[in-house]
Amino acid sequence: EAQVTQNPRYLITVTGKKLTVTCSQNMNHEYMSWYRQDPGLGLRQIYYSMNVEVTDKGDVPEGYKVSRKEKRNFPLILESPSPNQTSLYFCASSNQGTLNTGELFFGEGSRLTVL
Amino acid sequence: LAKTTQPISMDSYEGQEVNITCSHNNIATNDYITWYQQFPSQGPRFIIQGYKTKVTNEVASLFIPADRKSSTLSLPRVSLSDTAVYYCLVGGTSGTYKYIFGTGTRLKVLA
Repeated sequence: EAQVTQNPRYLITVTGKKLTVTCSQNMNHEYMSWYRQDPGLGLRQIYYSMNVEVTDKGDVPEGYKVSRKEKRNFPLILESPSPNQTSLYFCASSNQGTLNTGELFFGEGSRLTVL
Repeated sequence: LAKTTQPISMDSYEGQEVNITCSHNNIATNDYITWYQQFPSQGPRFIIQGYKTKVTNEVASLFIPADRKSSTLSLPRVSLSDTAVYYCLVGGTSGTYKYIFGTGTRLKVLA
């Protein structure tokens, strides 16, 4: 089954404790992206990656890092989480053929709480 | 980058047709318009996509006027299970892939 898998789905952590949210897709997609979703603000893009070793900032990259060492994986790293990073996070992917048209496949989300 | 504007919320009754309009005044020539549906605690799901005129699939229709500065998602005969948030997205052409989602339209279908 074609899917985008995120882990963990739920996480409660404390300020300053480094964490990584993993994202993996099995569709051989070139493009992957991370979003955060907050009440009243919709979906905001954090980082995206056009292919292996190619990443770029979205609209809200501060406080986050990403890496793309393999085509299928795109982990989101919070080096020193703060309470304002409490949010619902989504990973998405797309293949090159439909990338320009905006057809994205989303994971189920990771709800992160930073105390 | 095209910014989209949608109504914040809409209510409808079961069996009615629902039309949700999205404004995207600075859409680029090669941009497509895509609509997503999102249920609580789930990722957005692709509904329909179009470039101009009208597109129809098994769940919805998309109407795009000639100037492409707006688009209307039409959901025929909605049911309670159509209660969700609907997002309009303008495709990331013009050399960038910063897909900008708006705040979405929260549709509530009443019995």
